[in-house]
Amino acid sequence: AQSVTQLGSHVSVSEGALVLLRCNYSSSVPPYLFWYVQYPNQGLQLLLKYTSAATLVKGINGFEAEFKKSETSFHLTKPSAHMSDAAEYFCAVRANTGNQFYFGTGTSLTVIP
Amino acid sequence: DAGVTQSPTHLIKTRGQHVTLRCSPISGHKSVSWYQQVLGQGPQFIFQYYEKEERGRGNFPDRFSARQFPNYSSELNVNALLLGDSALYLCASNPDSANYGYTFGSGTRLTVV
Repeated sequence: AQSVTQLGSHVSVSEGALVLLRCNYSSSVPPYLFWYVQYPNQGLQLLLKYTSAATLVKGINGFEAEFKKSETSFHLTKPSAHMSDAAEYFCAVRANTGNQFYFGTGTSLTVIP
Repeated sequence: DAGVTQSPTHLIKTRGQHVTLRCSPISGHKSVSWYQQVLGQGPQFIFQYYEKEERGRGNFPDRFSARQFPNYSSELNVNALLLGDSALYLCASNPDSANYGYTFGSGTRLTVV
């Protein structure tokens, strides 16, 4: 069975500081992994995806994530936080059979001016 | 191009009532999925439809049902509403393969009182 675990339900960073949001996955086969962002009262927006190509994946808004099989991780990073990055971030893995996604419990990012 | 549109945006129902939520996918997208997002949690998979056929069902009771129409729009129906059904219901679409990630709508906020 597939699942993802997001470490840290709340993360606070200063504006301009590095953003690091952690995600570990559980999958018996190479997974398809995704990061989504959710702003208040909105749906989810796809930030980036890993689909067995390059292990370093670049997404929108300056975010990137690195797939590390040895660590079963897919952490999300951004070199310099901006106030507009404050939101809820979800890591997700696609099921090996069927097309459903399993989402983590989310990490709320606060950016301190 | 219009994104995934959901209606209504907000809804208040009484326990025991029935509710119908609607979703229009992005033009050309044949797959629609429904997710339930309870406050403070990640989205949970309810259904996926592709070409009007059910392709997947999450761990939800039979009170939940859905269908997809020839124009690929979809309805989610919930009978005998419980307080615990209060959540944000998200609809997502993609062309034909979840490997590319889903595009989510802004959701319908259902409150059961």
